[in-house]
Amino acid sequence: KAGVTQTPRYLIKTRGQQVTLSCSPISGHRSVSWYQQTPGQGLQFLFEYFSETQRNKGNFPGRFSGRQFSNSRSEMNVSTLELGDSALYLCASSSAQQGAFGNTIYFGEGSWLTVV
Amino acid sequence: GQQVMQIPQYQHVQEGEDFTTYCNSSTTLSNIQWYKQRPGGHPVFLIQLVKSGEVKKQKRLTFQFGEAKKNSSLHITATQTTDVGTYFCAGSSYNTDKLIFGTGTRLQVFP
Repeated sequence: KAGVTQTPRYLIKTRGQQVTLSCSPISGHRSVSWYQQTPGQGLQFLFEYFSETQRNKGNFPGRFSGRQFSNSRSEMNVSTLELGDSALYLCASSSAQQGAFGNTIYFGEGSWLTVV
Repeated sequence: GQQVMQIPQYQHVQEGEDFTTYCNSSTTLSNIQWYKQRPGGHPVFLIQLVKSGEVKKQKRLTFQFGEAKKNSSLHITATQTTDVGTYFCAGSSYNTDKLIFGTGTRLQVFP
């Protein structure tokens, strides 16, 4: 079974631009979560989508948004990029809702975003 | 809100020494999970604990869930250079369906 696939793997953007990252979950998984990882901040939860609905949201500004399609694939968008948005963006999929008892999540390899 | 802290933040050990990381939650957890992230890689699921006081072993790794289900530990016996990475705990409480990740412990092993 194929794992979680994220594209692109690496990208460089300039301040003020916007970026869209894509995530294809493991086949059959309906939950997709997004995390931002920076060296000093660990794994920061962005949001979770389940069956096309945003179920949970972290403490990020409105420049960060996402969506999920009927095939469970998900995209996240960051508008008006800032230097501080440079990070590894990780997508994780699971069969059940993220915090469901006994549920585990599977991470993709991430998208490295550099904002210059 | 729910917080999950891990200590220590960093640990450097000589190969062959033992290593332990501790995970503490501000709320009671329904279950706790552990993940390992190698340098340059992504977090990979290691194990899940659900019962109070539960202890599970994976070769040289021993995982424990506290009696009050608010803390957990990961102990590695006789570390090897392949153990290098950051270890994260993650838990969800009974009244929320978010999985909250700990701050992580970065392990460095010197040969």
